[in-house]
Amino acid sequence: EPEVTQTPSHQVTQMGQEVILRCVPISNHLYFYWYRQILGQKVEFLVSFYNNEISEKSEIFDDQFSVERPDGSNFTLKIRSTKLEDSAMYFCASSEGRWGVGKLFFGSGTQLSVL
Amino acid sequence: GESVGLHLPTLSVQEGDNSIINCAYSNSASDYFIWYKQESGKGPQFIIDIRSNMDKRQGQRVTVLLNKTVKHLSLQIAATQPGDSAVYFCAESGGATNKLIFGTGTLLAVQP
Repeated sequence: EPEVTQTPSHQVTQMGQEVILRCVPISNHLYFYWYRQILGQKVEFLVSFYNNEISEKSEIFDDQFSVERPDGSNFTLKIRSTKLEDSAMYFCASSEGRWGVGKLFFGSGTQLSVL
Repeated sequence: GESVGLHLPTLSVQEGDNSIINCAYSNSASDYFIWYKQESGKGPQFIIDIRSNMDKRQGQRVTVLLNKTVKHLSLQIAATQPGDSAVYFCAESGGATNKLIFGTGTLLAVQP
């Protein structure tokens, strides 16, 4: 069964450093998303991406965050200058259609620890 | 500083019993609802979805019920198995936003 893959599974960084989280969505999917989950809390929406541009973003997704689809298969989330409160599990997801039309398939996540 | 996380509601059932997990959603304009299962250390896994023009949908061993009047969603799992142990999230979307909004989650613990 096709799946969303994320690398790395764990990322440890120093506060103020830049990190790039990588994702390979399911190949025929058109919509891509990043979510995050702070330990023991809800899964929170960060951003959705379609047709090479951001279609929606949350208040969490400030100027320190950016997303990119650098080629036909990868989808990345960059945090320019990490803060302690950025520590969380970051999930990439993809779908054939926007919600209501296509199911979201999630990757296994990247656990980001900011020290 | 001290971090405070949400205390997850927990449902403890015996293997073989039926489980019912409830969710109250927030947006009366939401028109699409999904249940996800999240096992420890993994991403959310799709279980079943339902649109607002339906009030019941059945899958394999799972049933989702939607009551729009009281903005309530439930997931019924028949003959619960140890492999069903996980955190279950409801999620909603629709209205003025395309965001998929997740609920708090319920921890299902299946006792053998």
